[in-house]
Amino acid sequence: EVQLVESGGGLVQPGGSLRLSCAASGFTFSSYWMSWVRQAPGRGLEWVANIKQDGSEKYYVDSVKGRFTVSRDNAKNSLYLQMNSLRADDTAVYYCARVNQHTGDFWGQGTLVTVSS
Amino acid sequence: DVVMTQSPLSLPVTLGQPASISCRSSQSLVHSDGNTYLNWFQQRPGQSPRRLMYKVSNRDSGVPDRFSGSGSDTDFTLKISRVEAEDVGVYYCMQGTHWPWTFGQGTKVEI
Repeated sequence: EVQLVESGGGLVQPGGSLRLSCAASGFTFSSYWMSWVRQAPGRGLEWVANIKQDGSEKYYVDSVKGRFTVSRDNAKNSLYLQMNSLRADDTAVYYCARVNQHTGDFWGQGTLVTVSS
Repeated sequence: DVVMTQSPLSLPVTLGQPASISCRSSQSLVHSDGNTYLNWFQQRPGQSPRRLMYKVSNRDSGVPDRFSGSGSDTDFTLKISRVEAEDVGVYYCMQGTHWPWTFGQGTKVEI
């Protein structure tokens, strides 16, 4: 059974940093692109970042470029999102998703990031 | 960025009756590889999004066959042939053809 479990969310002040993790199991992690997608409270969905199987290609939505870094450790079956210079509008539930057919076929339960003073 | 526009944004439904959601994109969703990466998601209250359909009309495993997807180029539709109580939630279309991948605003389906 495919499982994705996010962790690392919490309350952080504007300008602060946070590192999210996603632990994957039930599939060959190193064979899939992976993604981070976020959802602001009561709002719609925004695709944040994609990373290729070997980490050699990464794509970001413009609103996080230069502030967020996606990475992975295939030996640990883990996906990460390093978030720096956080702003209030980064407040959201962050989901990790497995990419299949140019979309996410399995999603985690999400981790809430709140940026507030 | 490709703008995905859904209608209606709110859809009151009657159990056992059909329902339909429209999704239009600001650009053609035909990829250079020939595929059209238009997908549909369901998000039930308090849950993560769940993919229902990929590449316009392919149902995911475990998705009831009362759900169907159709369309081409910039105009797409998700249909529920007979709404059941478990179908309540928000439905999103999403394009994976052009980066950044983008979602529609969501359509809230309620009984």
